[in-house]
Amino acid sequence: EAQVTQNPRYLITVTGKKLTVTCSQNMNHEYMSWYRQDPGLGLRQIYYSMNVEVTDKGDVPEGYKVSRKEKRNFPLILESPSPNQTSLYFCASSLSGSGYTFGSGTRLTVV
Amino acid sequence: QQPVQSPQAVILREGEDAVINCSSSKALYSVHWYRQKHGEAPVFLMILLKGGEQKGHEKISASFNEKKQQSSLYLTASQLSYSGTYFCGTEFNSGGGADGLTFGKGTHLIIQP
Repeated sequence: EAQVTQNPRYLITVTGKKLTVTCSQNMNHEYMSWYRQDPGLGLRQIYYSMNVEVTDKGDVPEGYKVSRKEKRNFPLILESPSPNQTSLYFCASSLSGSGYTFGSGTRLTVV
Repeated sequence: QQPVQSPQAVILREGEDAVINCSSSKALYSVHWYRQKHGEAPVFLMILLKGGEQKGHEKISASFNEKKQQSSLYLTASQLSYSGTYFCGTEFNSGGGADGLTFGKGTHLIIQP
C-alpha cells in the first residue's frame, strides 16, 4: 500500500531532551516536507526536501533539523525541544506536479 | 505570504452548494486543495497548475485565475461526508513542489442533515 509512515504517533517528552520523529514513504517521491499544525494557524511548513541531500528551510524552521540521506526517509530532529514546540506534526511527500500524501501525524507534547 | 482563505467557516444543509476562496499576494505556480477531518491527516483533493492543467478526483471542481492569483473550490450538492476543514496550499516556483506548500488557515465546513 502506498503510504507515508510517521513514528511515533504520540510522544510526551521533557524540555531539552533530544528527539527524532521518523518519516518514510514507499512511493519513490522526490519531494518531502514537514509541517506543524496549531489551532487557528493552519499548517506551517518547517522544512522541505527536493531530493536526496537537498533540503531547505520552510516558514518555521527554528529549533528543528532534518536530513535526507535516502530518498524514502526524511526524519525531523528536535535537538533541544521546548514547550512552544508542542504541536501536531505531519510529514508529506509528492511527485513533481502532483498532490501531497500526508502521514498520519505525530502529536508531540513537551513539558 | 500565507494565502488568505474565505470564508473562515460555513454551515450548509445537505444538498446545498459551497464556494471556498483562496487568494495570494504572490505569483503562483500552482494551487492545491486538501480536506482534513477531525483527528485525521489532510487528504489531497485537487491541484491546479499554471497554464490550466487540473488534476484531481472526487465530485468537486475548482478554478484558478492566474492574473488575480486566486483559486476557488466548488462543492456542489454537498453531502454529509463533505464536512471538514478545507485548506488551500500554494506553490510559488515552477517544477512542482520545489519549495513545498504554503497553506492558508483553513475553512471549516459543516454540513447538516
